[in-house]
Amino acid sequence: GQQLNQSPQSMFIQEGEDVSMNCTSSSIFNTWLWYKQDPGEGPVLLIALYKAGELTSNGRLTAQFGITRKDSFLNISASIPSDVGIYFCAGQLRGSSNTGKLIFGQGTTLQVKP
Amino acid sequence: NAGVTQTPKFQVLKTGQSMTLQCAQDMNHNSMYWYRQDPGMGLRLIYYSASEGTTDKGEVPNGYNVSRLNKREFSLRLESAAPSQTSVYFCASSEDRVTKAFFGQGTRLTVV
Repeated sequence: GQQLNQSPQSMFIQEGEDVSMNCTSSSIFNTWLWYKQDPGEGPVLLIALYKAGELTSNGRLTAQFGITRKDSFLNISASIPSDVGIYFCAGQLRGSSNTGKLIFGQGTTLQVKP
Repeated sequence: NAGVTQTPKFQVLKTGQSMTLQCAQDMNHNSMYWYRQDPGMGLRLIYYSASEGTTDKGEVPNGYNVSRLNKREFSLRLESAAPSQTSVYFCASSEDRVTKAFFGQGTRLTVV
């Protein structure tokens, strides 16, 4: 089936550093979403992207919808300890807009050292 | 501000037992989903319901059934639980065409 490749799988960084993660696919997507999951909780939406080339920020987070519509990246600037968690990309395939069905990447586990 | 509510939060089942996971949303969303989350595999779609009265299979539907009881509620049933169904189950909802899916807190299921 369709698959999103998310990388890196994990990151261990120093507080204050910037973080970058991305998702790629061989399929074309209409929508890209980025979620964060804290331990024991459900994923929480961070950023939604709806147009190719779109660049959107949410505080220290910035995400972009790739021009080819097959990829997206998420950047976190000046990381802080509460950024710890698992970050997921999710995409809606072209042609599935009447269902809202999403495909998820495998997740990037972020650890921040104070 | 409840959003998506799942019950129970934790459950242990013996192999062969049945159970139903409940999900309700108060955001008047048309679409609802059930995902399972396993280590290193992200979230995989089990079943979804694009609107009240309709349900469709997702990526991993085997061993599960669902019921869209009304617009608010979408339940997931395991008729005969197997150890391979040990997982964390998430319910989510979204509006049509606007795919911001909102998730519940999850049900942690262990089948022994």
